[in-house]
Amino acid sequence: QVQLQESGPGLVKPSETLSLTCTVSGGSISGYYWTWIRQPPGKRLELIGFVYYTGSTTYNPSLKSRVTISVDTSKNHFSLRLSSVTAADTAVYYCARSPIFPDYWGQGTLVTVSS
Amino acid sequence: DVVMTQSPLSLPVTLGQPASISCRSSESLVYSDGNTYLNWFQQRPGQSPRRLIYKVSNRDSGVPDRFSGSGSGTDFTLQISRVEAEDLGFYYCMQGTHWPYTFGQGTKLEIK
Repeated sequence: QVQLQESGPGLVKPSETLSLTCTVSGGSISGYYWTWIRQPPGKRLELIGFVYYTGSTTYNPSLKSRVTISVDTSKNHFSLRLSSVTAADTAVYYCARSPIFPDYWGQGTLVTVSS
Repeated sequence: DVVMTQSPLSLPVTLGQPASISCRSSESLVYSDGNTYLNWFQQRPGQSPRRLIYKVSNRDSGVPDRFSGSGSGTDFTLQISRVEAEDLGFYYCMQGTHWPYTFGQGTKLEIK
């Protein structure tokens, strides 16, 4: 059974960079697309972007200038970096497999942007 | 972006009774390969979303057969034939046809 686990700081200061890692267990990261999804409080879920195991990426145009998603197949994990964060970036961040129809999800991690 | 609109946003139900959630998209969700990438997710309190249905009507493994999905083009429906207590929570539709892929605003299924 594939399992995903997000890790990273739960508190980030405004204007700094949010960094999260998603570790995949129970299966290989190779051969699949992997995605980051977030849910701000009281708002709908939003797809941030996704990465193929080869490293190819696609980003949501609304966040493209600030987002970097990368993959490390040797560690079986992929990562999210979101720069110049503001309070609007406060959300539960999920990692998942397969952006077109996400089947496996992490438990989610709350990231709060505050000084 | 394709806007996904769910209705109702709140759905009070009686246990054992049927329930239906509508999802409409601002554009057709038929992809160039002929597939329609419309998914349904359930999110119980304190949990991450769980996929129930993919490509309109394909039920995931382990999902009870009281859940069914239907629709085409821009108009889709999730039906629960007889609501059980474990079904309470939020339901989201999501389109995977047009990038960026987008979600509906969610429907809260609750006890009447």
